Amino acid sequence: GEDVEQSLFLSVREGDSSVINCTYTDSSSTYLYWYKQEPGAGLQLLTYIFSNMDMKQDQRLTVLLNKKDKHLSLRIADTQTGDSAIYFCADLNQAGTALIFGKGTTLSVSS
Amino acid sequence: EAGVAQSPRYKIIEKRQSVAFWCNPISGHATLYWYQQILGQGPKLLIQFQNNGVVDDSQLPKDRFSAERLKGVDSTLKIQPAKLEDSAVYLCASSGKGVTEAFFGQGTRLTVV
Repeated sequence: GEDVEQSLFLSVREGDSSVINCTYTDSSSTYLYWYKQEPGAGLQLLTYIFSNMDMKQDQRLTVLLNKKDKHLSLRIADTQTGDSAIYFCADLNQAGTALIFGKGTTLSVSS
Repeated sequence: EAGVAQSPRYKIIEKRQSVAFWCNPISGHATLYWYQQILGQGPKLLIQFQNNGVVDDSQLPKDRFSAERLKGVDSTLKIQPAKLEDSAVYLCASSGKGVTEAFFGQGTRLTVV
């Protein structure tokens, strides 16, 4: 079945760039997603990328997609302490109707 | 617009007891999801409704978990009897235009002791 893998932890200094990486197994994926989860909160959709795109930029966020290697990354420019959270990479299930999540990457930003 | 509402926020029960969670999706959203998020893991889909019909319940442990969505609006998820490994956050999400626009509630944190 489909699987999504992420590194578990990332620690950066305020003002630096953060890069969170993800690999997925389903070569037929049409959309790939990044969600953010702050303590005690639900999941917030940050951005998504369609599989025919290599890159998508949205303010401080840049998503890169390498379909050949099935690799997705999320770059956060000028990382702030408010960016500290768990970031989840997600793929659609084979039916295309629900999300499959990775285990999440905990981003810690120090001032 | 109002978000996805879930209650209760927290629940502590003893193993073998029963528990129920409630979800009120965003008005007009036809699709409703229940996810289970165990500590340190990503959310896992338990069940998906389209209006009041079940689309996918392949990962729902049907010997102890049940869910319903009467009238295609609110939904309840029940566990009976609970096991220690059911301790998790139960997230409800709804979507009106496909998964790209799924919105999540704050979740119910269940602790089974």
